[in-house]
Amino acid sequence: QVQLVQSGAEVKKPGASVKVPCKASGYTFTGYFIHWVRQAPGQGLEWMGRINPASGDANFAQRFQGRVTLTRDTSISTAYMELSRLTSDDTALYFCARGHLIYGMVHDYWGQGTLVTVSS
Amino acid sequence: DIQMTQSPSTLSASVGDRVTITCRASQSISSWLAWYQQKPGKAPKLLLFKATTLESGVPSRFSGSGSGTEFTLTISSLQPDDFATYYCQQYDSYSGTFGQGTKVESK
Repeated sequence: QVQLVQSGAEVKKPGASVKVPCKASGYTFTGYFIHWVRQAPGQGLEWMGRINPASGDANFAQRFQGRVTLTRDTSISTAYMELSRLTSDDTALYFCARGHLIYGMVHDYWGQGTLVTVSS
Repeated sequence: DIQMTQSPSTLSASVGDRVTITCRASQSISSWLAWYQQKPGKAPKLLLFKATTLESGVPSRFSGSGSGTEFTLTISSLQPDDFATYYCQQYDSYSGTFGQGTKVESK
């Protein structure tokens, strides 16, 4: 069965970076986009960007341009989201999600989320 | 950017009620709309895509309608497991904007 497994919670200081892994299993990793969506406490969902695991090409929401790096390691079917220059506003639950085979921006399977807390 | 607006923000209902949630887009998105259900502390779950297509395994009491700028999600007979927050998402543009969510709570 399709699974996306994320790492445990992270606590970071303002100005630091965080790198969140997302390990995929149960399907061909290079056949589907991986998206990253975040959710601040008590707030809604915000799309951050996506990566094509086959090519490594990535697209980002404008507000994250220059601060988010998306990479992947196809040998271990894992995607990574790195967010730099963290502030308290980046405290959120970060999800990875698989893009639908036909409608790539639809997210059909999700990781369990990684809580990133930014605090001095 | 395309903005998505859901109404109401909160909805109080009882088991067995028919529930309708509305999602409006700031410009036409054809039928490029998905609906998700999220429970506290959990990842969202895909319910419908292309406005009306039910995801595999989702109960048939969920249905979607609409095109262009106005869409609805209907739960024909609310079940205890359906108390959750619901989000619409447009995918006409690659930014995939979500609505702000509608919380369905017990009356």
